[in-house]
Amino acid sequence: GENVEQHPSTLSVQEGDSAVIKCTYSDSASNYFPWYKQELGKGPQLIIDIRSNVGEKKDQRIAVTLNKTAKHFSLHITETQPEDSAVYFCAASRGGGADGLTFGKGTHLIIQP
Amino acid sequence: DAGVTQSPTHLIKTRGQQVTLRCSPKSGHDTVSWYQQALGQGPQFIFQYYEEEERQRGNFPDRFSGHQFPNYSSELNVNALLLGDSALYLCASSFRYQETQYFGPGTRLLVL
Repeated sequence: GENVEQHPSTLSVQEGDSAVIKCTYSDSASNYFPWYKQELGKGPQLIIDIRSNVGEKKDQRIAVTLNKTAKHFSLHITETQPEDSAVYFCAASRGGGADGLTFGKGTHLIIQP
Repeated sequence: DAGVTQSPTHLIKTRGQQVTLRCSPKSGHDTVSWYQQALGQGPQFIFQYYEEEERQRGNFPDRFSGHQFPNYSSELNVNALLLGDSALYLCASSFRYQETQYFGPGTRLLVL
């Protein structure tokens, strides 16, 4: 089955700097890649997703890039703010809806004031 | 617009007992997936329900079972609880076979 590796496990950046989180996946049939933000005591919140027919997607300060050949995708957060502090998870699936998401182990992002 | 809701928020059980967790999907959604999230780990897919049938299952034993009702709400049942079943149980909903899943706040289960 699918295996998703996520790095780093912890990332500390100064407020206003950029943060980059990277994931690799093993199943070449995967074609849907969402990113979730999870705050303490809450469920994961979808922040952005990308499908395999797109190489990059941007939403305000957040962007995701996908390299299907290398089987890796990354989350980029620019101009980080204190409220960006949380655990971020990448995930992958074969799409089509009838397929569970396979998650990475998460990255704890710490924004230093 | 009501999001995904889950009940109860917390639950304490002892080994060998059985537990039932409940989920109501986001308004307009008809598909429910369940995930188990151990402390410090990413969520792991348990199974997915659509049209009141289990459509796909992850690598979980038969002690984990579920049900979906005509109003699209769902239950997760776990029998013969083990200490290792202690986790946050998350429900996610989606519409038909769309990949985009929205999660509820979860039920934290502690098995003593």
